[in-house]
Amino acid sequence: RKEVEQDPGPFNVPEGATVAFNCTYSNSASQSFFWYRQDCRKEPKLLMSVYSSGNEDGRFTAQLNRASQYISLLIRDSKLSDSATYLCVVNIGGNRKLIWGLGTSLAVNP
Amino acid sequence: DAGVIQSPRHEVTEMGQEVTLRCKPISGHDYLFWYRQTMMRGLELLIYFNNNVPIDDSGMPEDRFSAKMPNASFSTLKIQPSEPRDSAVYFCASSLSRGLVETQYFGPGTRLLVL
Repeated sequence: RKEVEQDPGPFNVPEGATVAFNCTYSNSASQSFFWYRQDCRKEPKLLMSVYSSGNEDGRFTAQLNRASQYISLLIRDSKLSDSATYLCVVNIGGNRKLIWGLGTSLAVNP
Repeated sequence: DAGVIQSPRHEVTEMGQEVTLRCKPISGHDYLFWYRQTMMRGLELLIYFNNNVPIDDSGMPEDRFSAKMPNASFSTLKIQPSEPRDSAVYFCASSLSRGLVETQYFGPGTRLLVL
């Protein structure tokens, strides 16, 4: 079983739609959680951290469920520019090593 | 400010040849990471350095791979001899120790094709 698992998609949604991605992690000792975004043929960039209480950044909302060991990302009012691969990332703690999911591909269509 | 710089951006080589990838981290960053990304395996951490010292090289696939960081502004990842299964995008990233653990800044990557 992979340490971080994501539905690869692709998710095809129309502009303005709401879309949600989930990610599960296997190590219950995981301490920190993040979402990165990677555009086609580009490098990954940090989108947002995921806090236990949940956090929101504009149209993006991230949530953590420690009991079920999953993380979610909700995108409201999707834009064409949201088309990308979204990478779920976990840190066990005690070091700087990040563990990456394979990513979920999103295509927002006009 | 300049971001992480990697060279070359593209490399095509033949099996058995030596390949050297180069990285210049963001000035002042004291962590440097080397990753490999493929469709099948995603983004894998190969090795990371703190203050030029290798901290964790458990992701280095085998002895054909080696990485060095002779100073704070330069690192290399070498593959010798290269094999077709080494074809991937290799990313270098850097971060600050006093920064948040998740904030790694990636370079544009080197696309390696081994024929």
